Amino acid sequence: AQSVAQPEDQVNVAEGNPLTVKCTYSVSGNPYLFWYVQYPNRGLQFLLKYITGDNLVKGSYGFEAEFNKSQTSFHLKKPSALVSDSALYFCAVRVQYNFNKFYFGSGTKLNVKP
Amino acid sequence: GAVVSQHPSRVICKSGTSVKIECRSLDFQATTMFWYRQFPKQSLMLMATSNEGSKATYEQGVEKDKFLINHASLTLSTLTVTSAHPEDSSFYICSARSGTSGGPTSYEQYFGPGTRLTVT
Repeated sequence: AQSVAQPEDQVNVAEGNPLTVKCTYSVSGNPYLFWYVQYPNRGLQFLLKYITGDNLVKGSYGFEAEFNKSQTSFHLKKPSALVSDSALYFCAVRVQYNFNKFYFGSGTKLNVKP
Repeated sequence: GAVVSQHPSRVICKSGTSVKIECRSLDFQATTMFWYRQFPKQSLMLMATSNEGSKATYEQGVEKDKFLINHASLTLSTLTVTSAHPEDSSFYICSARSGTSGGPTSYEQYFGPGTRLTVT
């Protein structure tokens, strides 16, 4: 079965400090990995994706993520957090044989304090 | 580009009534649309996949007679919650896919802003 794990329900970081939001996955075949952000009562906004190529992927708003095949991880990172980054972050994976279906992690609430 | 809208953004209805939620792709043709449900502090669960002009495919455990999905055009899909009950209260999010072939990058999904349904 395909699955995505976000081990931290919540991550707290001070503004200006680096942030990491963790994601690990378990899929059959090659994974296609995504990060989305959700603000309160809003839909999901695309941040970045990994399909193939460089393991380090750069996305919107200064975020980046590193695909690590051996550790089956795709952690989201940002060198310097902003208060406005506070939101709910979802990791998701799609698989080769069914591009329609996303498997979402449980979400991690990021709190950036001034 | 690639904007998906949902209407209404919030709806409150009485138990036993039906509610229709619209999902529109504003600047592209969506051959496939998806409906998700999100419970408080939980992840998104795919409810069903709908292709334009054909019947929706429901995920296991989702009642097709309760959650009616219609995808009548390439820019509009509707979700009707029939005989709503308080346990149907949730945040419903749709997404739309523009590609039909060409590999994983052509299967981008764009998410709508969501609809908050409250059944009293």
